[in-house]
Order: sequence, then structure tokens, then C-alpha cells
Amino acid sequence: DTEVTQTPKHLVMGMTNKKSLKCEQHMGHRAMYWYKQKAKKPPELMFVYSYEKLSINESVPSRFSPECPNSSLLNLHLHALQPEDSALYLCASSQDRPSVNYGYTFGSGTRLTVV
Amino acid sequence: GDSVTQMEGPVTLSEEAFLTINCTYTATGYPSLFWYVQYPGEGLQLLLKATKADDKGSNKGFEATYRKETTSFHLEKGSVQVSDSAVYFCALPPYGGSQGNLIFGKGTKLSVKP
Repeated sequence: DTEVTQTPKHLVMGMTNKKSLKCEQHMGHRAMYWYKQKAKKPPELMFVYSYEKLSINESVPSRFSPECPNSSLLNLHLHALQPEDSALYLCASSQDRPSVNYGYTFGSGTRLTVV
Repeated sequence: GDSVTQMEGPVTLSEEAFLTINCTYTATGYPSLFWYVQYPGEGLQLLLKATKADDKGSNKGFEATYRKETTSFHLEKGSVQVSDSAVYFCALPPYGGSQGNLIFGKGTKLSVKP
């Protein structure tokens, strides 16, 4: 299995809702990432988990709360979002020394719309 | 700091035309270099990579050569197809290979007309 699976593919939520995005990989990768991508822009890093521990938080607002229950799963909990948070949210994973030779494997993303 | 400069599009070509998308980088040491492709409505896929100077990465008819002397990694394809319409990102890893932000260029949107 060489994929990163993200669910749901599309999500529409109100500003008072609580929802979660899910990401799963079975490649044995020990680093997992959340990225946010706005239209016509490259992805922007939000969080990095390494060996199930949060290692990087790129000053993301607390209305985004990541969670890594185990080495295969990554969640992003959403609460009280704003319309400007509407974007494509991408999950990625990599080996523990990811990028020297192998790069990152991305999921197909969750298209989030906040109304 | 490390950075990637990529020609900005959009680029519009007719089917079977030759494609070049320029990418230059500034980096500490000699990192691996990547090209990612994002088809409409999808996530990013690794298109090709090169891990050292003079390496040529290739996939699906696309090629890119790691040029240390010009710090470039230009993407080329001899004959594009409509199915190649996508956004292409040049990228390099964070310094030292530690986990962190993959450094992307701004992306180049390619549209291929039949």
C-alpha cells in the first residue's frame, strides 16, 4: 500500500460546527504532515508529527487541533472556523529521514468550505 | 535561507508541443530535488526526483536534470498531451533532511489544448 487516504473528500461546515478530517497511511512512515492549500498557491505547512509526537506547529490558530492516535492515523479537529479557512487540506507522510531521497507522499485532500 | 524560484504561468500549449518549465534553487549543500504534479481537484503526486548533481529524473515522458553549476532543475517533455494539464511544483527538502517544510516553488499551471 503506497497511498495516503484522506476522508472526507469534501466538507461543508458552519462557523459553529465541530468536524474532523482524517488521514491514514500504511507505508510504515513515521512522519506525518498537515498542509493547507489555497487556490493557485503552493501548499503551506501547518503541523508535523514525528513518531506520533507533534514536532512542528507553524503558528496555526487553536481552532485547528491535530491529533496522532497511532503511527498510521492523523486527525485534524476543526472548531469555530472562519470563512477564510476554506481551502484544500492535504495530509502527507514520509520516512523518518524523509526528504533526502524519498520526498513526501500526499493524499488527495479534503476540500473544506466554511459557511 | 533555502528557496525555489519557478517560472509562473499559466503556460498554454497545443498538443504535441515541447514543454519547458524553469526551476532554479538556492540551497545549503546539495539537496535532492523534486517535481510534484497536481491534477485538477486532486492532491500532489511526486512526478520525478533527482538526488545528486547530474542525475536525471524521469517519469511519464517528463525529464529534469539536476544542474549544480546553474542551480537548476528544469522540467521538460518532448510532446505534451491534454492529460498533462495540471499544476507543476518544483520543490526541495528542508536543510539536513529533517522533517519540516518542503520548500515549494509557486507552481506553474499548464493547459494543453487539443
